[in-house]
Amino acid sequence: EVQLVESGGGLVQPGGSLRLSCTASGFTFSSNWMYWVRQVPGKGLVWVSHINSDGSNTNYAGSVEGRFTISRDNAKNTLYLQMNSLRAEDTAVYYCVRSAYGTFAYWGQGTLVIVSS
Amino acid sequence: QSVLTQPPSASGTPGQRVTISCSGSSSNIGSNAVNWYQQVPGTAPKLLIYSNNQRPSGVPDRFSDSKSGTSASLAISGLQSEDEADYFCAAWDDSLNGWVFGGGTKLTVL
Repeated sequence: EVQLVESGGGLVQPGGSLRLSCTASGFTFSSNWMYWVRQVPGKGLVWVSHINSDGSNTNYAGSVEGRFTISRDNAKNTLYLQMNSLRAEDTAVYYCVRSAYGTFAYWGQGTLVIVSS
Repeated sequence: QSVLTQPPSASGTPGQRVTISCSGSSSNIGSNAVNWYQQVPGTAPKLLIYSNNQRPSGVPDRFSDSKSGTSASLAISGLQSEDEADYFCAAWDDSLNGWVFGGGTKLTVL
């Protein structure tokens, strides 16, 4: 069974940093592209970033480009999202998602990030 | 403001057929596959339909989609109470070089 468990969310002040982690199990992590998708509670879904299977290719939404960095450790079956210069508008639930069928196929339960003073 | 446009709400009675629209442009729906997700409140989204009416294992064939030009539609036939959820469409956007979502449609089963 595919399992994706996010951690690292919490309350951070504007301008601060946070690193999210996503531990994967139940599939060959090193063979799959991975995504981060966020959602303000009660609002829509927003793609944040993705990374290819070996970590050599990454892509970011314009709203986070230059502030967020996606990375992975295939030996640890773990996906990361380093978030710097956080803003109030980054407040959201962050989902770790495994790619399959060319899209967002398997979703973790999410971790809540709150940016507030 | 979402790049893909969905109606904020839809409703139907048990057994009825309902459709949810998703409107985009030539750089997203017009040139790439549309995918649909179901999200029951308080839970993570779930992939419902991908790549031209393909369903992951476990998704009933009551769910189907269609696409014409720069618009797509999700159809749910034989509506059931457990179908009450939020539904989102998504597609790759060639101009933005990223994924775009619709704002979501809240489906109420009356």
